[in-house]
Amino acid sequence: AQSVTQLDSQVPVFEEAPVELRCNYSSSVSVYLFWYVQYPNQGLQLLLKYLSGSTLVESINGFEAEFNKSQTSFHLRKPSVHISDTAEYFCAVSDSSNDYKLSFGAGTTVTVRA
Amino acid sequence: NAGVTQTPKFRVLKTGQSMTLLCAQDMNHEYMYWYRQDPGMGLRLIHYSVGEGTTAKGEVPDGYNVSRLKKQNFLLGLESAAPSQTSVYFCASSYPRGGLQETQYFGPGTRLLVL
Repeated sequence: AQSVTQLDSQVPVFEEAPVELRCNYSSSVSVYLFWYVQYPNQGLQLLLKYLSGSTLVESINGFEAEFNKSQTSFHLRKPSVHISDTAEYFCAVSDSSNDYKLSFGAGTTVTVRA
Repeated sequence: NAGVTQTPKFRVLKTGQSMTLLCAQDMNHEYMYWYRQDPGMGLRLIHYSVGEGTTAKGEVPDGYNVSRLKKQNFLLGLESAAPSQTSVYFCASSYPRGGLQETQYFGPGTRLLVL
């Protein structure tokens, strides 16, 4: 099964500043990559996903992530954050070796301050 | 369209008691999952189902049982609760297109405290 590492457990950031959340996974076989967001006291929601095609994927609320096969990474970025982006972010990976079940990272808590 | 719902939202159990968590989805999804979320560990898959009448073990199945008697419902049972099962439990569902890589939709979670 995949091992997913989110390198930062906590990321404090000021409003309108950029943010990057790092995600690395263990295997270079064909993978599907996801970022989920969990707002306080809610379930997880899909933020964006990479299945194939362009290595840069974007969400409707300004986040983007780039699939880098050689570095086995799928880092998430946003050029200017809002208070409403305060949440926990999970990177997840699936591949054929585990019947495409999702393997989640430990999560990164982003706290946006005014 | 309610999506994925979970019952109850919060429960306190004493060690050794049993309970059942109910997950329901109205999206006609084939696949359903039960996860537990613990601080610093992300989500770990307990059991999953690829269709009505089928279940399979995930990463951390011990101490849990599941049933999928109807397509829209997926039940998670704890026969004899232990403090180590204190966690937040999430149900999810998905409609696969050739595999399990389709987007999963999550319920709001059930907080369980075992004393």
